[in-house]
Amino acid sequence: QVQLQESGPGLVKPSETLSLTCTVSGGAISRHYWSWIRQPPGKGLEWIGYIYSSGSTVYNPSLESRVTLSVDTSRNQFSLRLSSVTAADTAVYYCARSLMYFDFIYWGQGMLVTVSS
Amino acid sequence: EIVLTQSPGTLSFSPGDRATLSCRASQAVSSDYVAWYQQKPGQAPKLLIYAASSRATGIPDRFSGAGSGTAFTLTISRLESDDFAMYYCQQGGTFGGGTKVEIK
Repeated sequence: QVQLQESGPGLVKPSETLSLTCTVSGGAISRHYWSWIRQPPGKGLEWIGYIYSSGSTVYNPSLESRVTLSVDTSRNQFSLRLSSVTAADTAVYYCARSLMYFDFIYWGQGMLVTVSS
Repeated sequence: EIVLTQSPGTLSFSPGDRATLSCRASQAVSSDYVAWYQQKPGQAPKLLIYAASSRATGIPDRFSGAGSGTAFTLTISRLESDDFAMYYCQQGGTFGGGTKVEIK
């Protein structure tokens, strides 16, 4: 059974960079699309972007200028960097794996990241 | 930019009822990338339906998806207590605002 686990700081200061890592177990990271999705407290879901195991990426246009996704196949991990954060970036951040591109079949448990000084 | 509208925001049903949830796209979209998720408080979303009408592994057959173009639906044929939750539709990188299915 594929399992995903987010890790990283739970508190980030405004204007700094949010960095999270997703560790994949129970399956290889190769030949799959891996996404980050976020959910502000009490609100809906927002797709941030996906990365293929080869390293190719597609980002949500609304966040593209601030987002960088990367993958480390040797560690079975992929990562999110979101720069110049504000309070509006406070959310539960999920990592997920797709069946194909956007059908997210496996999810991490989610990690709350708060942007505050 | 595609906008997905799920209305109403809340639907009230009794256990055993049939529930049909609506998702409308602001322009015609490919059914290949339409999915539905169930989310309960404090949990990650769970994939129910992908490619508009295909059930994900392990999803009971009381859940079904249909639609094309700009109009898609998720139907729960007989609501069970475990089905009262939030439901989101998705097309590609866009999610709808969600519909909460609550107990009447």
